[in-house]
Amino acid sequence: AQSVTQLDSQVPVFEEAPVELRCNYSSSVSVYLFWYVQYPNQGLQLLLKYLSGSTLVESINGFEAEFNKSQTSFHLRKPSVHISDTAEYFCAVSETGTYKYIFGTGTRLKVLA
Amino acid sequence: SQTIHQWPATLVQPVGSPLSLECTVEGTSNPNLYWYRQAAGRGLQLLFYSVGIGQISSEVPQNLSASRPQDRQFILSSKKLLLSDSGFYLCACGQGNTEAFFGQGTRLTVV
Repeated sequence: AQSVTQLDSQVPVFEEAPVELRCNYSSSVSVYLFWYVQYPNQGLQLLLKYLSGSTLVESINGFEAEFNKSQTSFHLRKPSVHISDTAEYFCAVSETGTYKYIFGTGTRLKVLA
Repeated sequence: SQTIHQWPATLVQPVGSPLSLECTVEGTSNPNLYWYRQAAGRGLQLLFYSVGIGQISSEVPQNLSASRPQDRQFILSSKKLLLSDSGFYLCACGQGNTEAFFGQGTRLTVV
C-alpha cells in the first residue's frame, strides 16, 4: 500500500537561507507526486507536481522538487526563503490506477527574520 | 479550473447531535470527490472518496458517512457526533491522477 513519510515535523530557518523539506514514499507501482502548501485555517494549495517527464519540477514562486525513483524520494527545496513562505507543507502520492491521494503528516516551515 | 465550495467554515456542535457538511464543485464534470479530516500532527486522513453518483468508498471505519446525490455534490454526515469527531474537514476533487483541488475547509468542534 502506498504511504508517505515526512520526517521533519517542524523546520525553522532564517530568511534568505536555503531549505529542504524531505519526503519519502512507499509504493510498489508507478506514482504521481505532489507538494501542497497550507496557510492557517485554509485549504491546501498545489505547489508543484510530478506526473511524468523531467524529474525536476519547479513552482512559480521559486520552489523545486526532484523525483528520485531509486531513493523513493521527492524532496522540496528553495534556495532562499522569505517570511511569506511560513506555512505547512504536505507531500502526497497517488498510485497509477487508483483514485486516492495519500498525504504525509506535514512539515511546518517557520521562516525567521 | 475547478472551484470547491464548502460550508460552513466553522461549526460548534454538542455531543450526540447530527452533522451534515456539504461540498459542491464547479468547473468540471464527473469528478472524483474526497473527504479528508485533518488533526494536529496527523496530516490529512482520507475518510471517503467517490468516483461517481452513489459510489462511495470508505477508508476508515468511523462514526461518519458520506453520500453523493448529484455529480458535483458530496455530503459528509453523522447521526450522533462524538468528541473525537472534532477536526478540520476538507473536501477535494480530482480527475484521474492529476492534482486534487481543495475547498477552504470546515472546522468542527464537538463540545
